[in-house]
Amino acid sequence: EDQVTQSPEALRLQEGESSSLNCSYTVSGLRGLFWYRQDPGKGPEFLFTLYSAGEEKEKERLKATLTKKESFLHITAPKPEDSATYLCAVQAPGTYKYIFGTGTRLKVLA
Amino acid sequence: ETGVTQSPTHLIKTRGQQVTLRCSSQSGHNTVSWYQQALGQGPQFIFQYYREEENGRGNFPPRFSGLQFPNYSSELNVNALELDDSALYLCASSLGGQGPNEKLFFGSGTQLSVL
Repeated sequence: EDQVTQSPEALRLQEGESSSLNCSYTVSGLRGLFWYRQDPGKGPEFLFTLYSAGEEKEKERLKATLTKKESFLHITAPKPEDSATYLCAVQAPGTYKYIFGTGTRLKVLA
Repeated sequence: ETGVTQSPTHLIKTRGQQVTLRCSSQSGHNTVSWYQQALGQGPQFIFQYYREEENGRGNFPPRFSGLQFPNYSSELNVNALELDDSALYLCASSLGGQGPNEKLFFGSGTQLSVL
């Protein structure tokens, strides 16, 4: 069964304390792995798409990497405004359906 | 460029009632998907519409139905509401042609509470 698992469920960091979020997936024929950010009471906002193992993408303090079984979202020197839920998703093969993980709730303390 | 807009933002219904949620897609997008997000969970795919035709459906019962209009706006209808239908309902639009790997643009959602 196609599945996405994210860890940890929740993470509290001090401002400036770097860390990584994990997304492991089981899907036959990955067509793309997506990272989204979701603020409370809002819809997810697109961050990155990764297509093949070894690929990396960066945006400000965020860097996403991909292997054959998992993806990491690295947060370098986070700020309080980085506090949000980070969602990972893959596209199920042969469909238009995206499978989301349950997310990691990140809280960055000043 | 206008983003994805959803209405209403909040809704309270009682069990057994019917509800209609509305979505206007982002300018230039002809594909709309609907997702259900329960508290503390990730979004779950309900269905997708491309050029007014449903072209994908998740594991939701037939009482969840939808429409897409010629201007690519969309409606989600839920009949015979159950308590477990309480969730945030998200609409997402994307560019047409829907090959793989299309990124989704989400609205802010409709928070539905079923009492």
